[in-house]
Amino acid sequence: AQSVSQHNHHVILSEAASLELGCNYSYGGTVNLFWYVQYPGQHLQLLLKYFSGDPLVKGIKGFEAEFIKSKFSFNLRKPSVQWSDTAEYFCAVNAPGNNRLAFGKGNQVVVIP
Amino acid sequence: DAGVTQSPTHLIKTRGQQVTLRCSPKSGHDTVSWYQQALGQGPQFIFQYYEEEERQRGNFPDRFSGHQFPNYSSELNVNALLLGDSALYLCASSENRDNTEAFFGQGTRLTVV
Repeated sequence: AQSVSQHNHHVILSEAASLELGCNYSYGGTVNLFWYVQYPGQHLQLLLKYFSGDPLVKGIKGFEAEFIKSKFSFNLRKPSVQWSDTAEYFCAVNAPGNNRLAFGKGNQVVVIP
Repeated sequence: DAGVTQSPTHLIKTRGQQVTLRCSPKSGHDTVSWYQQALGQGPQFIFQYYEEEERQRGNFPDRFSGHQFPNYSSELNVNALLLGDSALYLCASSENRDNTEAFFGQGTRLTVV
């Protein structure tokens, strides 16, 4: 079974600062990788996904993530955050052909205006 | 196009009671998965339904059961509620194919007292 680790569960930063959230997974085979975001009072929404191809993936709202297979990582980045990026961010993984998702514990990100 | 809808949004039950939660998938989706999200944790996979059958199951006791109807909507039933069942219950729908993303509902907040 896959498992996902996210560190720095609480992140506080100022507007215009850069954000990087780490995600490591444990699974030996091919994986699909996802970052979901949960804004206050809203449902989980997909930020970006990786299935195959270019390991640098661009998502919505200026977010990007890089898949590094040798490090089993899929870190999320945004060069300049806004107050509206305040949310909880979840990394998730599944195996192709099996769309059961394994989630990390999440990162609570607070952006101070 | 309606996304994933869940009902009710909030529920309070007494220990030992039974509860039924409902989910309507996004239009065009035939696969429904249920997740439990405890406070401060990432969603944990409960089970998945496809063609009205339970296709996969996570590490949850038999007190958790479900159903899928011919219109692809689904129910999650929990019997003999425990205080530890208090959580946000999320429904996700997807298409039955490889390399697809899951769409989540807003969840049902269950409190067991």
